[in-house]
Amino acid sequence: DQQVKQNSPSLSVQEGRISILNCDYTNSMFDYFLWYKKYPAEGPTFLISISSIKDKNEDGRFTVFLNKSAKHLSLHIVPSQPGDSAVYFCAASPSREYGNKLVFGAGTILRVKS
Amino acid sequence: ETGVTQSPTHLIKTRGQQVTLRCSSQSGHNTVSWYQQALGQGPQFIFQYYREEENGRGNFPPRFSGLQFPNYSSELNVNALELDDSALYLCASSLGGGRSYNEQFFGPGTRLTVL
Repeated sequence: DQQVKQNSPSLSVQEGRISILNCDYTNSMFDYFLWYKKYPAEGPTFLISISSIKDKNEDGRFTVFLNKSAKHLSLHIVPSQPGDSAVYFCAASPSREYGNKLVFGAGTILRVKS
Repeated sequence: ETGVTQSPTHLIKTRGQQVTLRCSSQSGHNTVSWYQQALGQGPQFIFQYYREEENGRGNFPPRFSGLQFPNYSSELNVNALELDDSALYLCASSLGGGRSYNEQFFGPGTRLTVL
């Protein structure tokens, strides 16, 4: 039962262009959403988050959009840089449930070509 | 400020054996969560420890157990290892308490191979 889905296993983008990574969820109890970036041999690193009371959050080159009615979120990276090449995980948290358990998607491998 | 550290980095065990993985949380953090990441999948929540008590558990059998020490470091123990236990085991620390989300900081993981 995959509650968080990232349907694109990989994405290849030219340097300077926009990268759009997508994520869908099924559990209506999720009210906090996060994106993590992971390089090989390292643990996931927090990138950006959004609460369910918002529909957009921006941090520099990274913007996360949330569409609650569609249970869909996306991460936009503009402009994409070669250093952005990594695995990106979408995660969700039912923060009302004490414990801050994170439910992750399977990840999308982003390759930014120079 | 020291980040989250895990030991060992890699481990090879045979089926039926037992294993203990260790995690040192980031300074000031009182909560440790453990995740299992199988190849090609996202991390899956195993359980969380808050102030030395188990505070939430995912869909893992009882042979996965844990411990948190007074200094908030933690251990993950897996008994009767199975081939499917081969995975990257990630530890994440955070400042717990309350019902709002608190950012989790991940360690580099322990790669367990069961033969």
